[in-house]
Amino acid sequence: EVVLTQSPATLSLSPGERATLSCRASESVGSYLAWYQQRPGQAPRLLIYDASNRATGIPARFSGSGSGTDFTLTISSLETEDFAVYYCQQRSNWLTFGGGTKVEIK
Amino acid sequence: DVQLVESGGGLVQPGGSLRLSCAASGFTFSTYGMNWVRQAPGKGLEWVSAISGSGGFTYYADSVKGRFTISRDNSDKTMYLQMNSLRAEDTAVYYCAKSETGYDFDYFDSWGQGILVTVSS
Repeated sequence: EVVLTQSPATLSLSPGERATLSCRASESVGSYLAWYQQRPGQAPRLLIYDASNRATGIPARFSGSGSGTDFTLTISSLETEDFAVYYCQQRSNWLTFGGGTKVEIK
Repeated sequence: DVQLVESGGGLVQPGGSLRLSCAASGFTFSTYGMNWVRQAPGKGLEWVSAISGSGGFTYYADSVKGRFTISRDNSDKTMYLQMNSLRAEDTAVYYCAKSETGYDFDYFDSWGQGILVTVSS
């Protein structure tokens, strides 16, 4: 099973700041990695697929990078609605999710 | 617009059974793989099961293999999850999620609102 480790567990930032979230895989997943956002009480929403492609309707402030075992989700300037939990997910070898990073208001 | 609506959740005793349904609309249902993903209270996401567009291929997480059965009715645009021998650790919100493309293992581009399953005596 591919284990995805997300860091940090919690990120405390202010609106307008840049957020950098990390996802590390226990083995190479190529570019087969996605990022999701989950707001409280809501279902997850696909943000990024294949490591760096924005899903339909996702604002340009969200960007993804990386390949192999190390991936990054960057939010260039945090809006109020971006404070949420973010999960990475791989589809290279079955399907697994990371444990999540909570982005909270500082 | 894609819509996925889960139903069938509730409270069940350990060892009991429950069947979840996911009614789909807004896309060509038989073209896409479908999945169940769950989230225990206060915890992260866990993929549970996937089924191919035709229904001919099914996949399960080790945690539910042999106890859960995924199926679909393409004429009714509905997916199911039959859950048997339920345990306390199966307590979670269960989401129905649509695969982004036709691949059996894929990303999830649309999600239902989720349905709570509670396993407790």
